Amino acid sequence: GAVVSQHPSRVICKSGTSVKIECRSLDFQATTMFWYRQFPKQSLMLMATSNEGSKATYEQGVEKDKFLINHASLTLSTLTVTSAHPEDSSFYICSATPTFIAKNIQYFGAGTRLSVL
Amino acid sequence: DAKTTQPPSMDCAEGRAANLPCNHSTISGNEYVYWYRQIHSQGPQYIIHGLKNNETNEMASLIITEDRKSSTLILPHATLRDTAVYYCIVRAPMYSGGGADGLTFGKGTHLIIQP
Repeated sequence: GAVVSQHPSRVICKSGTSVKIECRSLDFQATTMFWYRQFPKQSLMLMATSNEGSKATYEQGVEKDKFLINHASLTLSTLTVTSAHPEDSSFYICSATPTFIAKNIQYFGAGTRLSVL
Repeated sequence: DAKTTQPPSMDCAEGRAANLPCNHSTISGNEYVYWYRQIHSQGPQYIIHGLKNNETNEMASLIITEDRKSSTLILPHATLRDTAVYYCIVRAPMYSGGGADGLTFGKGTHLIIQP
């Protein structure tokens, strides 16, 4: 159990285009999902917290108008990188915490490697 | 979240026990110790967590010192597939004041299993 699916696993796009990444909890409901970013040889950095039915909370330094987050259901959150540029190339990873389980365990997707040309 | 300190890298022979230490001297009374690992180019994977008693599951054992200022993750019979970066994270559980917050990842320990 506790599987998180992330799609696509890899995307290459031209500068200026938008890219949407989906994160789904397959066998549990998740009121809260998280989005992380990881640059080469660095650790994961939290970008934003996505709450079902409400606006996402962004970490300091993360542009909310550039990284649009939608959490329309208890099993799906999406991250859209708008007007992507080469500096947005990174490994994007989502995670989800099962609702009503007081353990604070996060289950992660496999990640999306974004390359902006 | 309390700060943690881990060695940057460790080697272990295949088939032997891998013991990964973590110091968390500023841990609060309601904070748990969580361990995750990240295999190269994959998302992190939850391993185990504990409060003060030793814990064991199908993946690993967690030994927490009596004063809770340090802990050790034990992989009893390491295989090549256990090569990964291991993260020790200290935080409160949900609904205990900690909330559903994102994780703060340090640099972790890069464990390399040698054949």
